[in-house]
Amino acid sequence: DAGITQSPRHKVTETGTPVTLRCHQTENHRYMYWYRQDPGHGLRLIHYSYGVKDTDKGEVSDGYSVSRSKTEDFLLTLESATSSQTSVYFCAISEDRSVYGYTFGSGTRLTVV
Amino acid sequence: QKEVEQNSGPLSVPEGAIASLNCTYSDRGSQSFFWYRQYSGKSPELIMSIYSNGDKEDGRFTAQLNKASQYVSLLIRDSQPSDSATYLCAENSGAGSYQLTFGKGTKLSVIP
Repeated sequence: DAGITQSPRHKVTETGTPVTLRCHQTENHRYMYWYRQDPGHGLRLIHYSYGVKDTDKGEVSDGYSVSRSKTEDFLLTLESATSSQTSVYFCAISEDRSVYGYTFGSGTRLTVV
Repeated sequence: QKEVEQNSGPLSVPEGAIASLNCTYSDRGSQSFFWYRQYSGKSPELIMSIYSNGDKEDGRFTAQLNKASQYVSLLIRDSQPSDSATYLCAENSGAGSYQLTFGKGTKLSVIP
């Protein structure tokens, strides 16, 4: 996972609280993604970014927002966490859209109680 | 909606055997295909990519693509216990696509 760091690695939070997950990259890649991974569902795209301040929704974006103010940082915010958002969250980066695949970060395990 | 289908397994093979993992996809426009390996509790790691029909070999791994039949496969020769992991198939719908669509993964267990 060299070049891409996610923080925190683990978090337990209460229902209704806001939560922000951070993805930081040192590869200067233009494209960044947030996925969640759940048993029985696999990896599903939440949001992605194709440049500073340029973001778009994925297939499971409800309840999530993102921001990208610098090339290296992509933040995922759960405005009001719910138990259904308990999951493992992966950030990924790519150099040229998805043509050559992604590199994933180590993941954040989020538990909403 | 684009779909990538994989047998969830577990697929058990003895050490030294060939493991064969299969994946089908629904989008005929898909152009790039990837195999990721994910160890338990870890993040997915890209191990193979394939863009044209036929076989692509890298060490003990061979990826096979058949666009007419819309399937991709991964062969692992001389399987080792360290190959025990979940293997994810992914596809990209073309050069303009931002998104990879992933299958749910096949769990492989290599028995010593």
